[in-house]
Amino acid sequence: GIQVEQSPPDLILQEGANSTLRCNFSDSVNNLQWFHQNPWGQLINLFYIPSGTKQNGRLSATTVATERYSFLYISSSQTTDSGVYFCAVNFNKFYFGSGTKLNVKP
Amino acid sequence: GAGVSQSPSNKVTEKGKDVELRCDPISGHTALYWYRQSLGQGLEFLIYFQGNSAPDKSGLPSDRFSAERTGGSVSTLTIQRTQQEDSAVYLCASSLGGGANNEQFFGPGTRLTVL
Repeated sequence: GIQVEQSPPDLILQEGANSTLRCNFSDSVNNLQWFHQNPWGQLINLFYIPSGTKQNGRLSATTVATERYSFLYISSSQTTDSGVYFCAVNFNKFYFGSGTKLNVKP
Repeated sequence: GAGVSQSPSNKVTEKGKDVELRCDPISGHTALYWYRQSLGQGLEFLIYFQGNSAPDKSGLPSDRFSAERTGGSVSTLTIQRTQQEDSAVYLCASSLGGGANNEQFFGPGTRLTVL
C-alpha cells in the first residue's frame, strides 16, 4: 500500500506564530485531503486538494502531486487550532498519515 | 443539511458480547467508509461500500468483524465476540461517489470500550 508520512509529529507554538505541516506520500495519488481532529475527536474537513493551492482564511494548502508532497500552512495560530492534523490520500482506497499533533499556547 | 451521523456515541460492553454500530451517511452519498482509531493513533481503514456492495473489505481485522449496507444508505458494523483490543473509536465517512476524486465527510464516531 501507499506510505503516507507526516511531519513534524508534534508541534508546540505560541499563539500568533505561523507553522507549516508536511505530508509526503510514496506513489501517485488521485486525491488528497487535510483534516483537523479537534480535542473532542471530530474530524473536520480543511481542504480537498489533489493539486495546486487553496486558501481558507488563515489556512492554506498546496499539493505538488508530481513531487508527492503536500503542505498545510497555518498563519497567526490561535489556541483553537490545537488538535491533530491528518492528511489522507486516495489510491483505490484512502490512506491516512499518523498526524501532526499541534498545541497552540496562549 | 445533515451530516454523517453515528450511533451510539458511546458503547461499553463485556468481553465476548456482540455489538452493532450504525452509520447514517449524508443523503445522496453513494460511498461509505468505516475506519477505526485507537487511542492516540491514526485512522485504520476497515471497509468501503459503493452502494450496497463492498468492493474493498481488506481492512477488516478478523472474521469477527462484518458490515452491511442496505438500501444504499444506512450501514451497520458488527463485531462478534468482542475482545479488549477492539476498544477504539469507530468512525464512518461518506462521499458523493465512489471514485477516486471524491471528498470524504466524517461522522462523530462511536467510542467502544470492551471490559
